[in-house]
Amino acid sequence: GIQVEQSPPDLILQEGANSTLRCNFSDSVNNLQWFHQNPWGQLINLFYIPSGTKQNGRLSATTVATERYSLLYISSSQTTDSGVYFCAVEKSNFGNEKLTFGTGTRLTIIP
Amino acid sequence: DVKVTQSSRYLVKRTGEKVFLECVQDMDHENMFWYRQDPGLGLRLIYFSYDVKMKEKGDIPEGYSVSREKKERFSLILESASTNQTSMYLCASTRRPGNTIYFGEGSWLTVV
Repeated sequence: GIQVEQSPPDLILQEGANSTLRCNFSDSVNNLQWFHQNPWGQLINLFYIPSGTKQNGRLSATTVATERYSLLYISSSQTTDSGVYFCAVEKSNFGNEKLTFGTGTRLTIIP
Repeated sequence: DVKVTQSSRYLVKRTGEKVFLECVQDMDHENMFWYRQDPGLGLRLIYFSYDVKMKEKGDIPEGYSVSREKKERFSLILESASTNQTSMYLCASTRRPGNTIYFGEGSWLTVV
């Protein structure tokens, strides 16, 4: 099946710093999503981005589908950005969704 | 807003017990999913359903079964719980393939 690798596995930053999280995947995909899991376990969808660039406030994401990677940028980090960031991809066969998740990047923002 | 509700946040069960984890979504989504999340392994798909009474195995279906009698409800069943099923279980739904997927808050299951 498709492999998803995220880097770095852990990242510790001072409040106000910028960060870049990377997701590499081993095959062409029809679906790529970024998620943030807060310390209480809730997974929140950040971006649906199989290709191109999107921005939402301090967060933006870029997927280069031809080179099989996606980047999540967080600018001016806040302590509430702490948590685990997951990338998930899908290589659809019959239109049924079956996301494969990476193992995540754990981001810790220090005040 | 889409809401995916998992009825139990924290459960402690004994080995051999039958366990039901319930999930309800309120946005008429076709597709529903059960994942388990373990440290260092990310999320792994147990089962998914793309219609009422339809189910398909995910990557790790062994030891689990599911039920979808109504569109809004998707249940995960552990027929005989074992300690290696101690995990966090996440339910999710999406309107159709390729759409944004929404997760419940998770159910932390401990089997002793």
